[in-house]
Formats: sequence, structure tokens, C-alpha cells
Amino acid sequence: DQQVKQNSPSLSVQEGRISILNCDYTNSMFDYFLWYKKYPAEGPTFLISISSIKDKNEDGRFTVFLNKSAKHLSLHIVPSQPGDSAVYFCAATSSGYALNFGKGTSLLVTP
Amino acid sequence: KAGVTQTPRYLIKTRGQQVTLSCSPISGHRSVSWYQQTPGQGLQFLFEYFSETQRNKGNFPGRFSGRQFSNSRSEMNVSTLELGDSALYLCATHSGDLNSPLHFGNGTRLTVT
Repeated sequence: DQQVKQNSPSLSVQEGRISILNCDYTNSMFDYFLWYKKYPAEGPTFLISISSIKDKNEDGRFTVFLNKSAKHLSLHIVPSQPGDSAVYFCAATSSGYALNFGKGTSLLVTP
Repeated sequence: KAGVTQTPRYLIKTRGQQVTLSCSPISGHRSVSWYQQTPGQGLQFLFEYFSETQRNKGNFPGRFSGRQFSNSRSEMNVSTLELGDSALYLCATHSGDLNSPLHFGNGTRLTVT
């Protein structure tokens, strides 16, 4: 049973524009949410996270928004750069140690 | 600070064999988790160890097992390999601080023929 869903398998954005990646979850016990970036043949790299007591967290070009009532979070990348092209995974946890991952969104940023 | 180290990077085994994968955590990280990544199922949690004890377990059969040593290094074992066990196996470690992320190694790519 997939508790974290990323409904867009792929997204293509022009360089300089905003990339918006979306994620939905079903378990109301989740209290910590993370985004990871992954290149082929490498492990996921942590990008940004948010706890359930917040609704927004920023780190440079990356912002994560959390809407608890809708059980929805999104990752905004502004401005998008070609080096951002990768697979992005959304993850959620209630324990801090066992992450539930979405199936990922492949982002392609074109020059 | 060195990252999470997994060995070997690649492994080819035959159906019915068993395999052991190794993970060395970031210095000071005492929690070690294992994940399986396959194209169809995505990233799935296998189990988590802390202070040599399994603390959490995902929905995998008993053929998948692990252990953690006193230096926090961890191994995972898969017995009686099946073709469907072909996957990228990822180790992740955690500092223990509240609301801090898992840090992943680059994984071991296991192919079962």
C-alpha cells in the first residue's frame, strides 16, 4: 500500500523557470517530510526537509511547502538549472528512521 | 567526514545462492537502515538497526536479514536468492538527532541470474 505518492513520473522545465514537484501522502501520523535527489548509480542525496509543525522551509533555490489538511507537499526549485536534472523522491516518516518513499519524479531542465 | 560506504558496488549471483552486503556508517551515526530499490516498487524499507538491535522492520520475507556490530557497521544477508531480488540495495545512516535526515550510501547493485 503506497502511503506516499508522486503522481507525475516526469517533468520538463526550461532553464531559469520554476520547477514544481508534487507529493501526496495518506498517513496522518507522518510528521517529518524530506526530498531527495538521485542520479543513476548513486544513492539519494538529501535536499531539504520540513517537520509537520511548519508549512514552509527554504534553502537557497529550494523551497518545500506542506499542506497538512490536504496531505500534500511540494518542492519548488527557482531558478531551475540543467544540473538539477535528476530523479526527485519525496519521503515521509513518523519514526524518523523508516522512510516511506514515493516512486520519484524525473526532472529534466532544458537549456 | 567520510560518507556512508557500501561494499561491494556490484554483485552477480545465481538463483538459490546467498549474499552478504556491507555498510559502514558516517562516523558517530549509530542508526543504520537498509532499503531496496527496484524499477517497479521504488525505494522500500527493509530494516533498521540501532546499538546492534533491530528496531524497525519492513514487509520483506525472512530470507532478508541483517545485523549490526559494536562499531555500528552493518551487514545485510539475503538467502536463497530469487530473480526478483535483483535490485539496488541502499544503506542509510542517521545521527539520532530529532528531525535530521538519513544519509545514503551509493548502494550495491545485485543481479541474480
